[in-house]
Amino acid sequence: NAGVTQTPKFQVLKTGQSMTLQCAQDMNHNSMYWYRQDPGMGLRLIYYSASEGTTDKGEVPNGYNVSRLNKREFSLRLESAAPSQTSVYFCASSTRTVRSNYGYTFGSGTRLTVV
Amino acid sequence: AQSVTQLDSHVSVSEGTPVLLRCNYSSSYSPSLFWYVQHPNKGLQLLLKYTSAATLVKGINGFEAEFKKSETSFHLTKPSAHMSDAAEYFCVVSQANAGGTSYGKLTFGQGTILTVHP
Repeated sequence: NAGVTQTPKFQVLKTGQSMTLQCAQDMNHNSMYWYRQDPGMGLRLIYYSASEGTTDKGEVPNGYNVSRLNKREFSLRLESAAPSQTSVYFCASSTRTVRSNYGYTFGSGTRLTVV
Repeated sequence: AQSVTQLDSHVSVSEGTPVLLRCNYSSSYSPSLFWYVQHPNKGLQLLLKYTSAATLVKGINGFEAEFKKSETSFHLTKPSAHMSDAAEYFCVVSQANAGGTSYGKLTFGQGTILTVHP
C-alpha cells in the first residue's frame, strides 16, 4: 500500500548547494508532478510529466530541473539552492484521463530549508 | 486557463455548528473539482471530487459539496463541526482540454484554515 514515496522527508541546504528530491509511485500511473507549498499560496505546479519520456514546465519552474527516469520515478533537482526555495515539496501521480474516475495521489512531502 | 478562488482565508466555528467553506472557480471547459484537507504537518487527503456526474458530491467525514455551474461555485459544507475538522482546506480544479482528456494538472486555491472552538 505504498502509493507515492518521496525521499528525503526533511533537508537543510546551504545557499548554492545542489540536491535531488526523489519520487516513486507503484500505481502504474502515467502522469507525475512536482508541487511546492508556501503559506497562503496553496500548492503551485513546478514541473510535470504527462507520460514516460516527456516533461513540461508548470507555473514556477525557475531554479529547478526534472527527470522522468522511467514510468515509476520522477526526480526534482535544485542545481544551486536559494533561500526562496525554502518550501514543502509534494510529488504526485495520476492516471491520464480526467473523465474516468481517475486517481490523483500525493506523497507525504519533503520539507526543505535553504539557509 | 483555470483558476480557483477561496473566498475566506480563515473560518472559525464552534463545535457542533455548520461549516461552510466557499470556493469559486474559472475554467474554459468542463472542470473536475476537488476538496483536499491538510492537517498540521501532514500530507494532503482527498475529501471529495466532482467529475461531471452528480452535482451534489458526498465525501468523507460528513463533508459534501455542490457543483453550481451557473455560479461557478463548489462550496464545501458539513452540518456539524468536530474538533478533528480543524485543518487547512484546499479547493482544487483540473480542467479537461477540448479533446476531453487532460494530463491532470491541478490548480489549487490559496487555502482556508478552519478553526473549531469547543
